[in-house]
Amino acid sequence: DAGVIQSPRHEVTEMGQEVTLRCKPISGHNSLFWYRQTMMRGLELLIYFNNNVPIDDSGMPEDRFSAKMPNASFSTLKIQPSEPRDSAVYFCASRASGRGAGELFFGEGSRLTVL
Amino acid sequence: QQQVKQSPQSLIVQKGGISIINCAYENTAFDYFPWYQQFPGKGPALLIAIRPDVSEKKEGRFTISFNKSAKQFSLHIMDSQPGDSATYFCAASWTYNTDKLIFGTGTRLQVFP
Repeated sequence: DAGVIQSPRHEVTEMGQEVTLRCKPISGHNSLFWYRQTMMRGLELLIYFNNNVPIDDSGMPEDRFSAKMPNASFSTLKIQPSEPRDSAVYFCASRASGRGAGELFFGEGSRLTVL
Repeated sequence: QQQVKQSPQSLIVQKGGISIINCAYENTAFDYFPWYQQFPGKGPALLIAIRPDVSEKKEGRFTISFNKSAKQFSLHIMDSQPGDSATYFCAASWTYNTDKLIFGTGTRLQVFP
C-alpha cells in the first residue's frame, strides 16, 4: 500500500496568498484527519471526516481555514488568506473503519512557510 | 482536563541505556493510550498502545507501564539504539469519542553511540 500521500511536501508563500494542501488517504480507510504541528503547540487536530462528512471542525483556527473531502480518496485544506503565524507542518492521517482511535496512519506532512 | 502532560521535553541517552518517557492525564474517562514515534521529516507512526485493564505491555525493546490510580503511564526503551533517536508522543482517547486523540507535547530522544 502506498500510504497516505500529501502534496506539496514544501510550500513557501507570501502573506495574503491562498494555500491549498492536498491529501490522498489509504484506500479503504473511511476516516480522515488534518493535524497541524508546531514547536509551540505540538500536534493539534484541526478537522476530521468520517465517510467524507466533516464531523468536528472545532480545531480549525479561524474562518481563513477550510477543508473539503469531495470523495473517499481526496481531501484539501485551504488557507485564504495565509498569514506568517500559519507556518507549520500540516499532517493528514487516515484510519480504517472499525479500528481503534489510536491507529492513525499519517502522511509525511506538508511544511508551510508564510513570509 | 483534556490535557496529556509529557516529560521530559528532551532526553539524551547513551547507546545500551534505558530511555524513560512519562505522561500524566486527568480525565479518568480516557481508556486508550497509544505512543507514536516520529522521525525527522516524517509523520508520526503508531509504536505501541495500552488499555487500562493491563498494567504493562511489552513489544520487543519497548514497554508501556500503566498506573491507573496515579493516572500516569510511561514508555521504556530498553537497550536504546541510535536508530531510536526520534520524537515520541504519548496520547489518550476515550471510547465514546474515539475519533479524538489528545497528544502530549512530545519528547525528543537522542541516543549517542
